[in-house]
Amino acid sequence: DSGVTQTPKHLITATGQRVTLRCSPRSGDLSVYWYQQSLDQGLQFLIQYYNGEERAKGNILERFSAQQFPDLHSELNLSSLELGDSALYFCASSVSGTGGNSPLHFGNGTRLTVT
Amino acid sequence: AQSVTQLDSHVSVSEGTPVLLRCNYSSSYSPSLFWYVQHPNKGLQLLLKYTSAATLVKGINGFEAEFKKSETSFHLTKPSAHMSDAAEYFCVVSLYNFNKFYFGSGTKLNVKP
Repeated sequence: DSGVTQTPKHLITATGQRVTLRCSPRSGDLSVYWYQQSLDQGLQFLIQYYNGEERAKGNILERFSAQQFPDLHSELNLSSLELGDSALYFCASSVSGTGGNSPLHFGNGTRLTVT
Repeated sequence: AQSVTQLDSHVSVSEGTPVLLRCNYSSSYSPSLFWYVQHPNKGLQLLLKYTSAATLVKGINGFEAEFKKSETSFHLTKPSAHMSDAAEYFCVVSLYNFNKFYFGSGTKLNVKP
């Protein structure tokens, strides 16, 4: 058990809809990272937050947004959903905000299916 | 520029035989290196990490990896494969203060009975 909690485990929704994915990091970790994993594109980094502030952005679409709250949990909001957004979405947490030798600890992911 | 190359997309071994999963990296700075394992429909689990201490790193479940700076490699090995090792394995590079983790494309390990 990594200590990172993601909810829900599964989401099925229709195109055009909006969903929110939630992540609680490991106790003591200040950084939260969001990743998207699909069969055709592999693991893609979306965005990172550190102690409530956005720290780094990756391949995140404008339809997607995220935030980290004062209690350090994070939410990833996906709107105007398209079929191609169907994927596994992972949250990972880390003690550090700067990479280096602090590893990422991953949750079990949220599987999003857009129909 | 930094990058990670996993040299095999699929590796198949028989149960009880050695496992070798190959990873090469490219980095202008001293990296931290990690191996993660992902079982189907699960998150990535940390197997081991190298952070400039001993070059031979031991991880969980009998896995180990050796950092070879001259070859820019960080290959993952296990003396004897078990059926439960069947999964996808990711090699990851991180650089302090660059705030990025670079993931390899993954190697799927198949273990035959």
